[in-house]
Amino acid sequence: DAGITQSPRYKITETGRQVTLMCHQTWSHSYMFWYRQDLGHGLRLIYYSAAADITDKGEVPDGYVVSRSKTENFPLTLESATRSQTSVYFCASSVQGREQPQHFGDGTRLSIL
Amino acid sequence: AQSVSQHNHHVILSEAASLELGCNYSYGGTVNLFWYVQYPGQHLQLLLKYFSGDPLVKGIKGFEAEFIKSKFSFNLRKPSVQWSDTAEYFCAVNYGGSQGNLIFGKGTKLSVKP
Repeated sequence: DAGITQSPRYKITETGRQVTLMCHQTWSHSYMFWYRQDLGHGLRLIYYSAAADITDKGEVPDGYVVSRSKTENFPLTLESATRSQTSVYFCASSVQGREQPQHFGDGTRLSIL
Repeated sequence: AQSVSQHNHHVILSEAASLELGCNYSYGGTVNLFWYVQYPGQHLQLLLKYFSGDPLVKGIKGFEAEFIKSKFSFNLRKPSVQWSDTAEYFCAVNYGGSQGNLIFGKGTKLSVKP
């Protein structure tokens, strides 16, 4: 099953550049999430979405923008990348509700030079 | 503040040894509890979850966890580990049901020696 697909898997960019990470799910899950994973911090929620056109901030939203025009897509944009945003980014989805088990994508490893 | 503590950063065991990974959470209200596993280079996968009912929860691959409300704990156990259990394990807590997000612990890396 395709599940959640994240692209690109790896990305290197420079500070100040805009970069967009893509997330696509084939389950029609209502909820989608973006996390960043950093050594010593575990996973931290950046943004989440309850449905198309409904998004909300998580724990660490500064410097990120999201949109959800279609249920299956949830792109994450770094408008002006900074070195502190170097991380592994995971997209996840759940059938309904933030309290439900989440299904994760394979991650995007982003390096900002 | 709502938080999740995983006491062990790195655990090294030999095959067939028993495993217990600690997880404590900070809040005394309604919680839903999860353990996820991340094998090297892979995405997180759900091992088990607790919402209500029997506090001893059985998950996939022989893992189980016990919810002890009085201790705010949800420790993960496995009687006999295998080399293939080498991975990072994350405890996660949803505080407040549908009104709350998932808070992850910092993870415990498990290395199993063959």
